[in-house]
Amino acid sequence: AQSVAQPEDQVNVAEGNPLTVKCTYSVSGNPYLFWYVQYPNRGLQFLLKYITGDNLVKGSYGFEAEFNKSQTSFHLKKPSALVSDSALYFCAVRDQSGGYQKVTFGIGTKLQVIP
Amino acid sequence: GAGVSQSPSNKVTEKGKDVELRCDPISGHTALYWYRQSLGQGLEFLIYFQGNSAPDKSGLPSDRFSAERTGGSVSTLTIQRTQQEDSAVYLCASTSSGYSNQPQHFGDGTRLSIL
Repeated sequence: AQSVAQPEDQVNVAEGNPLTVKCTYSVSGNPYLFWYVQYPNRGLQFLLKYITGDNLVKGSYGFEAEFNKSQTSFHLKKPSALVSDSALYFCAVRDQSGGYQKVTFGIGTKLQVIP
Repeated sequence: GAGVSQSPSNKVTEKGKDVELRCDPISGHTALYWYRQSLGQGLEFLIYFQGNSAPDKSGLPSDRFSAERTGGSVSTLTIQRTQQEDSAVYLCASTSSGYSNQPQHFGDGTRLSIL
């Protein structure tokens, strides 16, 4: 079975400060990991993914995430937060092992960037 | 269109009525997913279609829920005898293949309210 945890319901950060949104996962094999963002009354939008290789993944809108296999984490980061980054962020995992695998989503973390 | 399209965007109906929600995936995408997002909750997997394979219905919460996908493209999610607990946002997503590491492309959802 696979699972993903987002331990923070909400993260508050001042505009211009670095931000981190945490995610940990559990899979039996190797993971595919994803981050999505959801703005009010919209669907989820893809930000970035980890498949293999470099542990630091860069994505859209200046976001990046670091894959840490020993800590089974995939935290989302941005060096300087913008007010427009305020949204709901979802981490997701899929086991790379063969065959069809559903994607499991976390419960989401609300990011509030304070002007 | 270029993205996943869902209709209606909003639906208000009385308890006990049947509702149909429609999803038009991205052209050429063989995999299609339905999710339910309740207030303050993450994404709950409902059903998955991949090409001509038998759908994965393991997430459907009761036999009041059903879905079909005609011609490998448009999908309809039907909820019979709606209950108040069915109130949620229903999201549809598609990918080029269910076996790939590609991200899911989401529609903006149907906001269903049961009175």
